[in-house]
Amino acid sequence: DAEITQSPRHKITETGRQVTLACHQTWNHNNMFWYRQDLGHGLRLIHYSYGVQDTNKGEVSDGYSVSRSNTEDLPLTLESAASSQTSVYFCASSESEGEQFFGPGTRLTVL
Amino acid sequence: GEDVEQSLFLSVREGDSSVINCTYTDSSSTYLYWYKQEPGAGLQLLTYIFSNMDMKQDQRLTVLLNKKDKHLSLRIADTQTGDSAIYFCAVITGGGNKLTFGTGTQLKVEL
Repeated sequence: DAEITQSPRHKITETGRQVTLACHQTWNHNNMFWYRQDLGHGLRLIHYSYGVQDTNKGEVSDGYSVSRSNTEDLPLTLESAASSQTSVYFCASSESEGEQFFGPGTRLTVL
Repeated sequence: GEDVEQSLFLSVREGDSSVINCTYTDSSSTYLYWYKQEPGAGLQLLTYIFSNMDMKQDQRLTVLLNKKDKHLSLRIADTQTGDSAIYFCAVITGGGNKLTFGTGTQLKVEL
């Protein structure tokens, strides 16, 4: 069965370190998205991609970057982790305007 | 940009109906979605409605759309303890494939 996976599921890191969160989907979807979830804010879009070599900034992109070298993967990198980036991160994928399928999430703690 | 608002909490008794409300600002949204998030999990699509519809029913779920007031609601009939979760309203944003999410409504079902 097609699926979307994220790794790691939990991560603790220190301020200033570089962190990469992985997202892998086997739906063969062109569209992939990264969100962060914080209490009182719902899900906010960080970056998104509509295909290989395409990346776009979302609502809260400062301090984050993504790259899309193939259809299946969209890794999210925190260049220099900050305490304000402690959050739960969700990856999602979709085909055109259809349903977005979500991964299980990564809980990141920055100390 | 798009603004999507929901109340944060709703508490109902088992067997009663639940109504979760959502307001949005972008009148050009073509698809409007309801997602459910259970504790520690990602989001799963519950149902959706096209902007040219005003009602959609799917078993215990009824979605009502008032385009004039930009108001979307989700009614859950005969609410069960398994319905306890966070419910997110989401709308297609800016003519693309991006979603803007509301803050989420935490539904608590009491015996």
